[in-house]
Amino acid sequence: QSALTQPASVSGSPGQSITISCTGTSSDVGGYNYVSWYQQHPGKAPKLMIYDVSNRPSGVSNRFSGSKSGNTASLTISGLQAEDEADYYCSSYTSSSTPVFGGGTKLTVL
Amino acid sequence: EVQLVQSGAEVKKPGESLKISCKGSGYSFTSYWIGWVRQMPGKGLEWMGIIYPGDSDTRYSPSFQGQVTISADKSISTAYLQWSSLKASDTAMYYCAGVVVPAALQFDYWGQGTLVTVSS
Repeated sequence: QSALTQPASVSGSPGQSITISCTGTSSDVGGYNYVSWYQQHPGKAPKLMIYDVSNRPSGVSNRFSGSKSGNTASLTISGLQAEDEADYYCSSYTSSSTPVFGGGTKLTVL
Repeated sequence: EVQLVQSGAEVKKPGESLKISCKGSGYSFTSYWIGWVRQMPGKGLEWMGIIYPGDSDTRYSPSFQGQVTISADKSISTAYLQWSSLKASDTAMYYCAGVVVPAALQFDYWGQGTLVTVSS
């Protein structure tokens, strides 16, 4: 199972909105509503930010939102803050009954 | 509060064996599946496998099948990841993660990670 495709890096200024894409195939992203997003700060463990494409766990800011269209899922962060600077990974359930991660996107807050 | 606490960093030589652990607390250990995720230095996340502590039903990523063994002891709320013969390429951070809905294989809770360094 090939990794999902994410941009290597994105950047934005405080207060702006950014979107990170996650492209797969009909055997993963396009075939299931089990896309999740994880935030990882340097030296820290990943943290679940979005599950089931667009749901936020308790405690996650509503500035984070997820969506999906066809084989591409997206994570949008609105009102960008310095603390949002981190690596972001998408993941999807696959037709092999296994999960697959994206390669990760480094978000820089300018 | 759900917590997954992993064992400490390890430094090993090639060919040695190793077993690292992940202890759950704050919930019924048999309520969630436990997955293991590898992160090599400067790289992304890779799913290794998953176990249901209730009956030790285990699934492996094809990339890791035969390379590692995942196990669990529900009596002490602990899951394990082990190697019989380490290689330098096993040097990485290893995370355990709790999966609430196994049908979705999404990682709801994460341990703090165990750094494994394999060097002669």
